[in-house]
Amino acid sequence: DQQVKQNSPSLSVQEGRISILNCDYTNSMFDYFLWYKKYPAEGPTFLISISSIKDKNEDGRFTVFLNKSAKHLSLHIVPSQPGDSAVYFCAASATGNTGKLIFGQGTTLQVKP
Amino acid sequence: GAGVSQSPSNKVTEKGKDVELRCDPISGHTALYWYRQSLGQGLEFLIYFQGNSAPDKSGLPSDRFSAERTGGSVSTLTIQRTQQEDSAVYLCASSLPSLIPYNEQFFGPGTRLTVL
Repeated sequence: DQQVKQNSPSLSVQEGRISILNCDYTNSMFDYFLWYKKYPAEGPTFLISISSIKDKNEDGRFTVFLNKSAKHLSLHIVPSQPGDSAVYFCAASATGNTGKLIFGQGTTLQVKP
Repeated sequence: GAGVSQSPSNKVTEKGKDVELRCDPISGHTALYWYRQSLGQGLEFLIYFQGNSAPDKSGLPSDRFSAERTGGSVSTLTIQRTQQEDSAVYLCASSLPSLIPYNEQFFGPGTRLTVL
């Protein structure tokens, strides 16, 4: 049972344009959501997060939107840069659940110069 | 300071052999997690350690998998009688105690395990 889903395995955008990565979840107990970025041969690194009490969190070029009724979140990168090319993982956590993260399958973003 | 380190970075083994994977967390991080990423899949939670509490082993896929954490620091993940489906990248992460709000998990570079 895939509780966190990223239905787009890959995304290609032009430098300077917006990248939108999507994520859906099924477990209503999730109350904290995170995006991790992963380069080849490296571990994932934390990018941005959002609590379920919010619907938007912004950090520089990165904004995460949460739609609880639809159980959907998205990551917007504006403007996209070639250095943003990586695999992006959506993850979710539930309070009191040891902090373990449930990850989606990942979306490979390619930003073309 | 130093991040999470894992060793070996790559491990090739024959089916049926046992393997040990090591994780050195960030100093002062009392929470430690093991995940694995199979080809084309997301990261799958395996086990969680927090201080002296009993570990959360709910993600271990079979009894061939075990892990320990000695002295609240270094952790070893052991896979006995490896199978080809065990081939994956095994990732370790550490964090400050899991609290509200959520504490960021810092990941190591992973160990790529290949079972022939």
